[in-house]
Amino acid sequence: TAGITQAPTSQILAAGRSMTLRCTQDMRHNAMYWYRQDLGLGLRLIHYSNTAGTTGKGEVPDGYSVSRANTDDFPLTLASAVPSQTSVYFCASSDTGGTYNEQFFGPGTRLTVL
Amino acid sequence: AQSVSQHNHHVILSEAASLELGCNYSYGGTVNLFWYVQYPGQHLQLLLKYFSGDPLVKGIKGFEAEFIKSKFSFNLRKPSVQWSDTAEYFCAVTPRRGYQKVTFGIGTKLQVIP
Repeated sequence: TAGITQAPTSQILAAGRSMTLRCTQDMRHNAMYWYRQDLGLGLRLIHYSNTAGTTGKGEVPDGYSVSRANTDDFPLTLASAVPSQTSVYFCASSDTGGTYNEQFFGPGTRLTVL
Repeated sequence: AQSVSQHNHHVILSEAASLELGCNYSYGGTVNLFWYVQYPGQHLQLLLKYFSGDPLVKGIKGFEAEFIKSKFSFNLRKPSVQWSDTAEYFCAVTPRRGYQKVTFGIGTKLQVIP
């Protein structure tokens, strides 16, 4: 079982360009999340989705958008990238219908915006 | 909303030393608590979790954590660390009821010197 896959692994992007980070899970989890990890700031939630067809804003949503057309995929889009969006992005999923709400993480995408 | 505080941001220990990483949370209701570990260059993995029952929980690789409800704490311990424990450790909390997001602490970087 692959769990969660993310693509690309890393990317260098010019400021002003758009980009979509892809995330796919095969665990049939209902909830999915996008975090960014920055030195000294830990993990911050960007957007989340409790179930297919619904999304919500996290702690740092500005400049990002998401969609959840189906259970497996949860892409994150940067419409017009800025250098402050340089970060490592992690996608995660969880089965919130279960007891623990344990989150499973993907391998991450390292994004550099120049 | 819940919050998590990790007191030690960077810890350096020699092999065989004992480890205790502090974690306090704030939330008025019942919570689930987690410790995640991120080895260098890897994604976050669950180390251990507390849901209910015995407040002393044991995780992988000899780690344990104790939930002290009166202190709102969930400190991580290991009697004797190894070089391979070098990683970043994140405490996390989620309210138990319903669809609730997980809140992460900013992380503690542990460096174990051989």
